[in-house]
Amino acid sequence: RKEVEQDPGPFNVPEGATVAFNCTYSNSASQSFFWYRQDCRKEPKLLMSVYSSGNEDGRFTAQLNRASQYISLLIRDSKLSDSATYLCVVKKYSSASKIIFGSGTRLSIRP
Amino acid sequence: NAGVTQTPKFRILKIGQSMTLQCTQDMNHNYMYWYRQDPGMGLKLIYYSVGAGITDKGEVPNGYNVSRSTTEDFPLRLELAAPSQTSVYFCASILAGGPPTDTQYFGPGTRLTVL
Repeated sequence: RKEVEQDPGPFNVPEGATVAFNCTYSNSASQSFFWYRQDCRKEPKLLMSVYSSGNEDGRFTAQLNRASQYISLLIRDSKLSDSATYLCVVKKYSSASKIIFGSGTRLSIRP
Repeated sequence: NAGVTQTPKFRILKIGQSMTLQCTQDMNHNYMYWYRQDPGMGLKLIYYSVGAGITDKGEVPNGYNVSRSTTEDFPLRLELAAPSQTSVYFCASILAGGPPTDTQYFGPGTRLTVL
């Protein structure tokens, strides 16, 4: 089983829709959680950090469920510019190198 | 504040050639990382450093070397380039190891093709 698993998608949704995807992780010692977005062949850019139960930033909401070991990302009122790959990242607090990237979920917003 | 910068942006190498990928950060971050990302795949850790003079191997270190003589710079050296090293290389940095200062910031990447 992979340490961090994401549904690869693609998710294809109309503009204005709400879309959500999950990320599961296997290491219960994980302390920090992140969502990054990555546009085609460009560098990952931080969308949000999740250190407690959740975080909200405008149209984006991330929720952390430590008991079930997953984090979710909800995008409301989706825009064409939200089309990207969303990477789930899980980090173990005590280790500099234990930063595990999911393979990403592809999201495509159609007009 | 430029963040993490990488040079060159693109490079084509012949098999057996060597090159150094440059990475510099101006955020006074302690930890620095090199990743590679093959088409359609996730990021794989090549090497990382927790401070000047300290480096360690990641998941896929073979064929690469690193050094960290200053806090700002973390060059990646490819010796005897092979087609399997064709990839996009990302450098990243973190201020410190624990929350909330453990967000990674990435450079724009170097696209390397080995022919």
